[in-house]
Amino acid sequence: EIVLTQSPGTLSLSPGERPTLSCRASQSVTSNYLAWYQQKPGQAPRLLIYGASSRATGIPDRFSGSGSGTDFTLTISRLEPEDFAVYYCQQYSSSPYTFGRGTKLEIK
Amino acid sequence: EVQLVESGGHLVQPGGSLRLSCAASGFTFSNYAVTWVRQAAGKGLEWVSGISGSGDRTYYVDSLKGRFTVSRDNSKNTLYLQMNSLRAEDTAVYYCAKSGVMGSYYYYYMDVWGKGTTVTVSS
Repeated sequence: EIVLTQSPGTLSLSPGERPTLSCRASQSVTSNYLAWYQQKPGQAPRLLIYGASSRATGIPDRFSGSGSGTDFTLTISRLEPEDFAVYYCQQYSSSPYTFGRGTKLEIK
Repeated sequence: EVQLVESGGHLVQPGGSLRLSCAASGFTFSNYAVTWVRQAAGKGLEWVSGISGSGDRTYYVDSLKGRFTVSRDNSKNTLYLQMNSLRAEDTAVYYCAKSGVMGSYYYYYMDVWGKGTTVTVSS
């Protein structure tokens, strides 16, 4: 089973700042089969990024994903108020298709 | 509009069984894998199970193998999760989600999610 470790656990920032969220895999994620999701309280998760760097439909271009192998990153170029949420990475390279434990992005 | 609607969650006693359903609409159901993901209150997402578009391949998280069974009825556009020998730690919101597509193939990332159904295991 591939274990995904997300860091930091919590990130306290202000609108306008540029956060970088990390997702590290315990073994290589084949073909960069890694996705990122955003979840707000009381809501289902929303797909942001798939294939490590492809934005899902309707996702603003301030969200970008990068990385390969075992190290992946989600960057938000300029935080908007609606971006404060929990972010999860997920690998779909090998079953079970595990999630990381999440990074909570909170308002400073 | 692509939509997934879960149902069947409720309060059940430890050791009991429950079957969750997920009704799909707005897309050709049989062309996509679908997945169950759960989330305990205040916790992160846990990938539970997935099933291929035709239903011939199923996948589970190791800790649930033998207790949970995923299935689908493509004639009814419905996904199921049969849960047996339920434990308190199975208490969670259960989401179903549709697989995404890259090129001509689907993969087990999730591009559309339902709102979830709540399962509570307690005496």
